[in-house]
Amino acid sequence: DVKVTQSSRYLVKRTGEKVFLECVQDMDHENMFWYRQDPGLGLRLIYFSYDVKMKEKGDIPEGYSVSREKKERFSLILESASTNQTSMYLCASGSSYQETQYFGPGTRLLVL
Amino acid sequence: LAKTTQPISMDSYEGQEVNITCSHNNIATNDYITWYQQFPSQGPRFIIQGYKTKVTNEVASLFIPADRKSSTLSLPRVSLSDTAVYYCLVVLKYNTDKLIFGTGTRLQVFP
Repeated sequence: DVKVTQSSRYLVKRTGEKVFLECVQDMDHENMFWYRQDPGLGLRLIYFSYDVKMKEKGDIPEGYSVSREKKERFSLILESASTNQTSMYLCASGSSYQETQYFGPGTRLLVL
Repeated sequence: LAKTTQPISMDSYEGQEVNITCSHNNIATNDYITWYQQFPSQGPRFIIQGYKTKVTNEVASLFIPADRKSSTLSLPRVSLSDTAVYYCLVVLKYNTDKLIFGTGTRLQVFP
């Protein structure tokens, strides 16, 4: 079975802190994705990566950056957390951006 | 701005067939429509994927009309364990290809 793990299930941070969310997949997938999920808005794509060191902006990249130094690991970075970044963050991986995506369990981030 | 539209919620009873429709304009040519299921405190998981006409697997069917401006997920004989949120995912072409999830349909199945 494909496994996508996220470093934390719950995280509480203060406004202005730098936040790192880590995601690891074990299926050698080329593509990895970061989404945020908010009530009434569904899942919105923040960034995706189609190869090591490669990244593409999604719909809502503002306030976020990403890092992919190794194929299995994709990190989402909030340079200076703000309260409007309180959300559920979901990581996914897939063999191509159109093919089935496998999701991690999510990280619920609260920014105070 | 092109987007996808799904009903916010649906109710059903055990044993009934449930059809959830996702409307999407400007869908990318030759790209797939994919449906996911999400339970509370879990990430979405793949249900079914199709390109045109009809696709069926062991859990659902997917109907896509010729104009591909909508798709319908059909769940036969739902059970209580099918209570979840269902999302469609499409690739929309305007300036650049974009992956767009629908806002999700919350299905509640009653005994």
